[in-house]
Amino acid sequence: KAGVTQTPRYLIKTRGQQVTLSCSPISGHRSVSWYQQTPGQGLQFLFEYFSETQRNKGNFPGRFSGRQFSNSRSEMNVSTLELGDSALYLCASSQGTDTNTDTQYFGPGTRLTVL
Amino acid sequence: GQNIDQPTEMTATEGAIVQINCTYQTSGFNGLFWYQQHAGEAPTFLSYNVLDGLEEKGRFSSFLSRSKGYSYLLLKELQMKDSASYLCAVRDNAGNMLTFGGGTRLMVKP
Repeated sequence: KAGVTQTPRYLIKTRGQQVTLSCSPISGHRSVSWYQQTPGQGLQFLFEYFSETQRNKGNFPGRFSGRQFSNSRSEMNVSTLELGDSALYLCASSQGTDTNTDTQYFGPGTRLTVL
Repeated sequence: GQNIDQPTEMTATEGAIVQINCTYQTSGFNGLFWYQQHAGEAPTFLSYNVLDGLEEKGRFSSFLSRSKGYSYLLLKELQMKDSASYLCAVRDNAGNMLTFGGGTRLMVKP
């Protein structure tokens, strides 16, 4: 089975721009979660999508948004980029149907640099 | 909310055993995960505990005590390739959200 894929792998943007990142989950998985990883804050949860609906949300400003399509692929968008948004953005997929046993598997991440 | 603590760095010798501890204070608990992350790569799943006790998977074992808010990851017969960061994460009752500790960077020396 193919793993989680994320595109693009690397991205350089300037302050004020907006960016869209894409994640394709493992085949059969319906839940996609997004995380931000920085050296200072570690791994922090952004949001989770299941069956095209946002099911959970972390403590990030409204500039961070996402969506999920009917084929479970997900995108996240960051508007009005700030220097502090430079990070590794990780997507994780899981079956999503039983949160008591669900295990999340991570993609390779998108490294975003904001100049 | 959740608060998860683990040591920042550890060093061990090839062939030895190392134990990485994780303590947590949570408003809800629905499982604890351990992930391994090599520099520049994605975290990979190692183990999951939801009930008290020890889970063994080859050279890796993970232990959980819910009453103490404590877990450890035990790595046996250390290999150089085990040099990586080890992340402890807790899932709360609210759903599928994981809260991660800061990670423990393990350096294995010859």
